[in-house]
Amino acid sequence: DTEVTQTPKHLVMGMTNKKSLKCEQHMGHRAMYWYKQKAKKPPELMFVYSYEKLSINESVPSRFSPECPNSSLLNLHLHALQPEDSALYLCASSRVGQEETQYFGPGTRLLVL
Amino acid sequence: GESVGLHLPTLSVQEGDNSIINCAYSNSASDYFIWYKQESGKGPQFIIDIRSNMDKRQGQRVTVLLNKTVKHLSLQIAATQPGDSAVYFCAEYNAGGTSYGKLTFGQGTILTVHP
Repeated sequence: DTEVTQTPKHLVMGMTNKKSLKCEQHMGHRAMYWYKQKAKKPPELMFVYSYEKLSINESVPSRFSPECPNSSLLNLHLHALQPEDSALYLCASSRVGQEETQYFGPGTRLLVL
Repeated sequence: GESVGLHLPTLSVQEGDNSIINCAYSNSASDYFIWYKQESGKGPQFIIDIRSNMDKRQGQRVTVLLNKTVKHLSLQIAATQPGDSAVYFCAEYNAGGTSYGKLTFGQGTILTVHP
């Protein structure tokens, strides 16, 4: 099973709202990732968690707050977003180690009004 | 800076033809490459990977070729089907001295297969 699930599939929020994106995998992977993908562009890395600890933050604004409550779950908390933050947010997971394939979820389509 | 790019942003083929999608990379230290397929409204789907100690790797209807001399990667799809229509991304792996992988994606090629 190489399934990564994400909820919700779609999200519309105002600039003053607080919302959360959720990601789950049951492949036993201990590395999890958040990517942002704008229309007609490739995915761009935001955060990497390794063994439930934040390993990489690609200079992401603080209005995005990741959380990894356990080895299967990854959250992305959103607060005071801007319209330019509208994008597809992708979660991925992999085994920890070099040259490990990352498996992606279907993404959450976010629209910030 | 280092980058991964594609020569052709769009590719249109007839059903049954073979397709070739190309990718150039500039980081000579990269040693692992992945091809992903992304259909509309979905996340990237793993197709095939190749490590730098290989020149060629075959999967089901797909073949990836790696030419380290010219830093070029290609994905060949045999007997292309309408279901192959999607955006194809090559991704370059850079460990950067860490134990987890940072993928850098190319710009993508839109493959359209006509019945």
